[in-house]
Amino acid sequence: AQTVTQSQPEMSVQEAETVTLSCTYDTSESDYYLFWYKQPPSRQMILVIRQEAYKQQNATENRFSVNFQKAAKSFSLKISDSQLGDAAMYFCAYRSWGNSGNTPLVFGKGTRLSVIA
Amino acid sequence: DSGVTQTPKHLITATGQRVTLRCSPRSGDLSVYWYQQSLDQGLQFLIQYYNGEERAKGNILERFSAQQFPDLHSELNLSSLELGDSALYFCASSVSPGNEQYFGPGTRLTVT
Repeated sequence: AQTVTQSQPEMSVQEAETVTLSCTYDTSESDYYLFWYKQPPSRQMILVIRQEAYKQQNATENRFSVNFQKAAKSFSLKISDSQLGDAAMYFCAYRSWGNSGNTPLVFGKGTRLSVIA
Repeated sequence: DSGVTQTPKHLITATGQRVTLRCSPRSGDLSVYWYQQSLDQGLQFLIQYYNGEERAKGNILERFSAQQFPDLHSELNLSSLELGDSALYFCASSVSPGNEQYFGPGTRLTVT
């Protein structure tokens, strides 16, 4: 079974600075997806960014980018120019490629990010 | 707004009772997923349906059951409720199992 580990329960960053959230995972599969979800105080789960394992290029979405190291099974999220609205719980998630149609998300425990004005 | 709707938003009930949580997927989405978020267990996958058929089962208790109806909405039934069942229950949907999952706002269940 796949597992996802987020070793930083809490992180903080100054507004306008850059922060990196760590995530490692364990799998025996070669094809899969990785995601970062954001959960603000409203509790809504919001997809931040996704990465396909077969792609060597790291995904980017505006101020959000990832560092995907497949051999090391590492998938970190970098938030640049942090804003107060970035304060939230961030979850790293794994999903199998889905050939069999079984595609649940496996989540890490989350990292709570605080942004200091 | 993800387009996934869940009702009710909040539910308070007593131990031993039974409740039904409802989810309407985004228009066009055939896959529905249920997840439970609790303080001690984190976010856990419960069950997945695709076009009315069960596709995958996770850590779903025997006291819990679900189904997806012909109009593609889904219901999660929780029975013989215990204090430990208090959690936020999310529904997510996707066009097909290989596509992005979009989450609803969740149903907050409190068992007293």
